[in-house]
Amino acid sequence: DAGVTQSPTHLIKTRGQQVTLRCSPKSGHDTVSWYQQALGQGPQFIFQYYEEEERQRGNFPDRFSGHQFPNYSSELNVNALLLGDSALYLCASSFAHYGYTFGSGTRLTVV
Amino acid sequence: AQTVTQSQPEMSVQEAETVTLSCTYDTSENNYYLFWYKQPPSRQMILVIRQEAYKQQNATENRFSVNFQKAAKSFSLKISDSQLGDTAMYFCAFMKPLTQGGSEKLVFGKGTKLTVNP
Repeated sequence: DAGVTQSPTHLIKTRGQQVTLRCSPKSGHDTVSWYQQALGQGPQFIFQYYEEEERQRGNFPDRFSGHQFPNYSSELNVNALLLGDSALYLCASSFAHYGYTFGSGTRLTVV
Repeated sequence: AQTVTQSQPEMSVQEAETVTLSCTYDTSENNYYLFWYKQPPSRQMILVIRQEAYKQQNATENRFSVNFQKAAKSFSLKISDSQLGDTAMYFCAFMKPLTQGGSEKLVFGKGTKLTVNP
């Protein structure tokens, strides 16, 4: 049973560019959440998708947007990249409130 | 807004010994969930243990147990018979579920780096 799959694992982008990160949830999970984890910090909630709609959003600018597809997979898009966007981006899937299953993340470096 | 505080940035323990990681949180809610997650160098967050606030009994998962003090808003993790594979970052997290008007987003502490020495 595959868990949460994220791609790519690593990514280097130039300031001002746009990036798309992808996530496939664990089988049976219908909710996908995205978190940003800066170096040495705990993850910060970006947003959550359920039934292809954004259900909740954290304190992140509109440059951060997302999408959920009918098969429950999800994308995170970040526009106009800043140096401060460099972080580990974690995707987590869940069903009800039984706890999240996390992927191994995408390490984004903005230069 | 809920906050989670982990006051121990780093801890170390000898193999086979017991260690306790501390976590406090601030909330005005009565029903919620608390979690401990482990993040090894592989980066994947792994659920260690989960506690429902309405349950008075402390959760236990093999060598891992919690001391949940609801009035004190404290949620510590005890690891017994520590193993080298327990070396990782440990994060405490809070969640208010949808059924209680929440969003099911996790609010994390800053983490405790645990090193198990041979």
